[in-house]
Amino acid sequence: GAVVSQHPSWVICKSGTSVKIECRSLDFQATTMFWYRQFPKQSLMLMATSNEGSKATYEQGVEKDKFLINHASLTLSTLTVTSAHPEDSSFYICSASSIPNTEAFFGQGTRLTVV
Amino acid sequence: QQQVKQSPQSLIVQKGGISIINCAYENTAFDYFPWYQQFPGKGPALLIAIRPDVSEKKEGRFTISFNKSAKQFSLHIMDSQPGDSATYFCAASKYAGGTSYGKLTFGQGTILTVHP
Repeated sequence: GAVVSQHPSWVICKSGTSVKIECRSLDFQATTMFWYRQFPKQSLMLMATSNEGSKATYEQGVEKDKFLINHASLTLSTLTVTSAHPEDSSFYICSASSIPNTEAFFGQGTRLTVV
Repeated sequence: QQQVKQSPQSLIVQKGGISIINCAYENTAFDYFPWYQQFPGKGPALLIAIRPDVSEKKEGRFTISFNKSAKQFSLHIMDSQPGDSATYFCAASKYAGGTSYGKLTFGQGTILTVHP
C-alpha cells in the first residue's frame, strides 16, 4: 500500500523559534497533500490543502503566515510553524493523495511540544 | 454546514461482542464516507469506506451501513477483539476535482474499549 512518512515523529522547541515538519509520499506521487492538527482527545481538524507547485489553501481561522506550507515536489510537503508558542503544541498529521485514487493516505503524525 | 456528528464518545464492549458507532452528516454534497482507526500517538488508518450508491459494505469483521435519506452511516465491528481497542473516526468528503476525496471532515471520535 501507499506509504506516507512524516519527520520528525516528535519535536520539542523553545517558544519563539520555528520548526519544520516534513511529509513525504514514499511510493507514489502526491498531487495533493493535506495538513491536519489534532489536540489531545479531540478530532482531526484540517488546516490546509496544498497542491504541488502552487500556494496552499488554508482553512478559515488558520494563520497562513504562522503555518507556512511548501509543496515543492510531488513527494514532499513541509509545514513550518513560525514563532511557535505553547498553544501551538499539538499533533500534526499530513495526508497525501494522487489522482485518480480516491483515498488519502496518512502519515504517522508529528508531536510538537513548545516549551 | 460541514459538520459530521459522531456518537457515542466512548464505548465498552466485551470480547466477541458487536461494536456500533454512528455518524450523521448535514452536507448532502458529501459522497464519500470513510472510517478510520487511530491508536495513541499514531496517524489514522483507513478501515473501510462507502459511497452513497450502496446501503451496506462489508470487509471482514467491519461493516458500514449507510442511510442516504436519513443522512446517517454507522460502523459495525463484529466479534470485537481487545486489539480493536482504539479511537474510531468517521469522516466525509466530496469530490472536488483536483483534490480527489482527500479533504476530509472528521467526526468527533469514539474511544472503543474491548474487554477480554
